[in-house]
Amino acid sequence: GAGVSQTPSNKVTEKGKYVELRCDPISGHTALYWYRQSLGQGPEFLIYFQGTGAADDSGLPNDRFFAVRPEGSVSTLKIQRTERGDSAVYLCASSPTEASVWGYTFGSGTRLTVV
Amino acid sequence: QKEVEQDPGPLSVPEGAIVSLNCTYSNSAFQYFMWYRQYSRKGPELLMYTYSSGNKEDGRFTAQVDKSSKYISLFIRDSQPSDSATYLCAMTGGGGGNKLTFGTGTQLKVEL
Repeated sequence: GAGVSQTPSNKVTEKGKYVELRCDPISGHTALYWYRQSLGQGPEFLIYFQGTGAADDSGLPNDRFFAVRPEGSVSTLKIQRTERGDSAVYLCASSPTEASVWGYTFGSGTRLTVV
Repeated sequence: QKEVEQDPGPLSVPEGAIVSLNCTYSNSAFQYFMWYRQYSRKGPELLMYTYSSGNKEDGRFTAQVDKSSKYISLFIRDSQPSDSATYLCAMTGGGGGNKLTFGTGTQLKVEL
């Protein structure tokens, strides 16, 4: 597609539930990033993939968070046992390669609300 | 203390004004500096980027980096209502996949 697509755009879930957030990167982009943006804050790095492998997951806050990219294209961010503090906008970005500093393109994000 | 500090605003200016936005940072390893613009309920979009110290101009926008002071700026000339958005500074050291460290963002409103 022309841009980075994220679905759903909004997700409301109950505390303790499991959620999956999907990211479709720009076709051909090998690097894919997940960021989290809390209200009134800048995006914070979670994890990035180069191809199918998670090259750096140092930003994941705890083991309730997990992400996959099995075929090197679409990625899914998975959150188990959601907590109210997980409420935020989850942003996905892709880049032609991990070396493309200027090449980031962000999606519009998934707004997650845990009630 | 955060690695990147940015005044969150809000900043309100009249149309046609010159706007100055800035960030300070503490990590001397940062060498790639970017400004993103984010409209409400949208993802950040890259506006300007610079490598190391110096100035870069693109139309009404000028980005400045002073690595000795660990200080970066974005100037917007002849500001327009369509410039109303949140402006995020971002930076990276260039290695390790280029994960970005962002400032808090400054909310700008340009009024008619």
